[in-house]
Amino acid sequence: AQSVTQLDSQVPVFEEAPVELRCNYSSSVSVYLFWYVQYPNQGLQLLLKYLSGSTLVKGINGFEAEFNKSQTSFHLRKPSVHISDTAEYFCAASSNFGNEKLTFGTGTRLTIIP
Amino acid sequence: DVKVTQSSRYLVKRTGEKVFLECVQDMDHENMFWYRQDPGLGLRLIYFSYDVKMKEKGDIPEGYSVSREKKERFSLILESASTNQTSMYLCASSPGTSLGDTQYFGPGTRLTVL
Repeated sequence: AQSVTQLDSQVPVFEEAPVELRCNYSSSVSVYLFWYVQYPNQGLQLLLKYLSGSTLVKGINGFEAEFNKSQTSFHLRKPSVHISDTAEYFCAASSNFGNEKLTFGTGTRLTIIP
Repeated sequence: DVKVTQSSRYLVKRTGEKVFLECVQDMDHENMFWYRQDPGLGLRLIYFSYDVKMKEKGDIPEGYSVSREKKERFSLILESASTNQTSMYLCASSPGTSLGDTQYFGPGTRLTVL
């Protein structure tokens, strides 16, 4: 079984400041890791994912995440946020065998302060 | 672009009613998923389907059933709606070609059970 933890339920950040959204996972097997974003009144869309290879993954809208196996983490970062980044961000994991079932974290609401 | 559509954005039903939520995808995806999203709980998988007429229980299947008679359509059924099923329901689909596939989400249906 696997679990995904997002410790920060809300993160307020000033516009143009950097941000890091934290995600930790636990799994007895190797995992694939994802970050999804949900803008207000919309469904989720993929920001980026880690399957294998380079541990630094770049996604859309200037976001990137780093897979750290020893820390079992997959934190999301952006060097300079914009008002349009206001959204809820979900970290998710799936195992690399079996089915494509995703386990989601509880989400982090990012609020950008002008 | 992948498009996942859900039959209603908002739905209000009474306790005990039978409720149908419909989801349609237009990209010939093999896999389809139903989640419910609740504040502080993230997304939880109700059921998923990896082929026509095939289904598997997710983490919280109690009180729900599903139907997949055609590849593009996946229905979620609440046999007898209860107030604790008031939630946002999200449908998703994925190609099913490999583990680690991206899931594509619909806009969601906000269901209120009175």
